[in-house]
Order: sequence, then C-alpha cells, then structure tokens
Amino acid sequence: AQSVTQPDIHITVSEGASLELRCNYSYGATPYLFWYVQSPGQGLQLLLKYFSGDTLVQGIKGFEAEFKRSQSSFNLRKPSVHWSDAAEYFCAVGAGINKLVFGAGTILRVKS
Amino acid sequence: ETGVTQTPRHLVMGMTNKKSLKCEQHLGHNAMYWYKQSAKKPLELMFVYSLEERVENNSVPSRFSPECPNSSHLFLHLHTLQPEDSALYLCASSRTGEGGYTFGSGTRLTVV
Repeated sequence: AQSVTQPDIHITVSEGASLELRCNYSYGATPYLFWYVQSPGQGLQLLLKYFSGDTLVQGIKGFEAEFKRSQSSFNLRKPSVHWSDAAEYFCAVGAGINKLVFGAGTILRVKS
Repeated sequence: ETGVTQTPRHLVMGMTNKKSLKCEQHLGHNAMYWYKQSAKKPLELMFVYSLEERVENNSVPSRFSPECPNSSHLFLHLHTLQPEDSALYLCASSRTGEGGYTFGSGTRLTVV
C-alpha cells in the first residue's frame, strides 16, 4: 500500500537559516509527489509538485524539493527561512486516479 | 481565497442536532473530496466524488452523509454526532489527471 513518512514531527530553525524537511514515500510505480503548507486554522496550500522530468522542483515562496528515486525521498528545502514560514508542512504521494496519500505533517517553528 | 469555498467556517452543534457543511468550487474541477483533520492525526480521507461516482472510506460512520448534486457543489450532512467528531473538515477539488488538490479553508466543527 502507498504510504508517506515524515520522520520529524517538529522542527525549529532560526530565522535566516536553511531548512530541509524530510519525506519518504512508498509507491510501486513512478510517483506523483506534492508538498503542501497549512497555516493555523487554514486549509492546505500547494507549494510544489513533481510529476516527471527534472528532479529538482521549484515552488512558491522560495521553496524547492528534490526527488531521489534511489532513496524514495522528496525532501523540501529553503535556503533562508522567514518567520512567516512557520506552519505545518505535509508531503503527499499520488496513489492512483483522484487519490492522494498524506504524511502526518511536520510543524515548523521559526525562532528570531 | 483559493477557489474552493467552505461554509460555515465554524460550527458548534449538540449531539442531537442535524447540520450540513457546504463546499463550492468554480475551478472547472471534476472531483471533490471531504477530509477530516483531527489534532495529532494524519489527514483522513472521508469521501471522494469523481464524475458523479462516489467513493468512500469504509471506516467513516454513517452519521456522516455526503451529497454531490453537481460537479461544483459538495455537502456533508451531519446528524447525531459524537464529541470525537470535533475536528477541522476540509473540502478539496481536483481535475483528473492533473494531480494535486485545491483545498478550502475548512470548517472547524465542535460537538458538545
């Protein structure tokens, strides 16, 4: 069965520091992969997605993610974190037509 | 505003009440979803409507009843809920084959 693992429940980084959020997936075929962000009390917003092609994907708000098939990973990165990036981040894998499987999320805290 | 509108944003209801959550999208998407998000739990897919076909998570209690009158509107009818049903209910939509969902801002439901 398809699954997504986000190993870190919480991560705290200093403002201006770099960020990497980890995501590992389990899926038999070539996956469609996504990162979403959720601010408190809000819905999820799509940051970026990978379908095929270049394994380094650029998204909104300065985020990028790299697909590594050999490691079954799709880690999210940002070179310099801003206080407004504090939120919860979800990785997801497309597991068939009209089906996304989400990870449990990583809460990002930014300290000034 | 994401293009997916959910009403109401907040709802408090007693266990004997009947209420409905509404979701509306005008993005031209052909699939709509209900998700339940509880504290410290992964997103739980409740129902999928795609091209007038309904797919449901068999673990969802019958006190939750979806309705999809057309491709732009989705309802979640609630009756005789339990306190453990208190959660953020998220609606999402997508277009088949394009991957990724657009989420609404959610309805925060509290059952008292």
